[in-house]
Amino acid sequence: EPEVTQTPSHQVTQMGQEVILRCVPISNHLYFYWYRQILGQKVEFLVSFYNNEISEKSEIFDDQFSVERPDGSNFTLKIRSTKLEDSAMYFCASSGGTSYEQYFGPGTRLTVT
Amino acid sequence: GESVGLHLPTLSVQEGDNSIINCAYSNSASDYFIWYKQESGKGPQFIIDIRSNMDKRQGQRVTVLLNKTVKHLSLQIAATQPGDSAVYFCAEKGWGGSYIPTFGRGTSLIVHP
Repeated sequence: EPEVTQTPSHQVTQMGQEVILRCVPISNHLYFYWYRQILGQKVEFLVSFYNNEISEKSEIFDDQFSVERPDGSNFTLKIRSTKLEDSAMYFCASSGGTSYEQYFGPGTRLTVT
Repeated sequence: GESVGLHLPTLSVQEGDNSIINCAYSNSASDYFIWYKQESGKGPQFIIDIRSNMDKRQGQRVTVLLNKTVKHLSLQIAATQPGDSAVYFCAEKGWGGSYIPTFGRGTSLIVHP
């Protein structure tokens, strides 16, 4: 069964450093998403991406964040200058466009020290 | 503001019992609702969805009930198994603008053998 994959599973970085979280969505999907989940809290939407551009973004997704689909398979989330409060699980998801069903990856745990 | 919330943070049941997980929503404009299951260390997994023009929808061992009058959503799991132990989130999605789900806080279901 096709699945969304994410790398790395755990990323530790120092405050102020740039990080890039990587995702490989399901191959025939057209819509891509990033969410985050701070420990013990709700899953929060960050950004959605379709047709090589951002279609929606939340208030969390400020200028420190960017997304890119550098090739036909990867979808990345970049945080330019990490803050302590960026520590969270980051989930990538994709959907096919014919339904609202989103398939989530296993997540990347980001720890900012 | 609008919110999605869950009544109980933890639900403990015996294997074989039926489980009922509840969710209240406050956005009367929401017309699509989703239940997700999140196992420890994994991303959310789609379980079942329901549109606002329906009161009930059944899947394999799961049933979602929607009461629009009181803005209440429930997930019923029949013959609960240890593998059902997870956190369950409800999410709502508004119509005609954003297609991004707003997640509830989650209920932890613990199934005792």
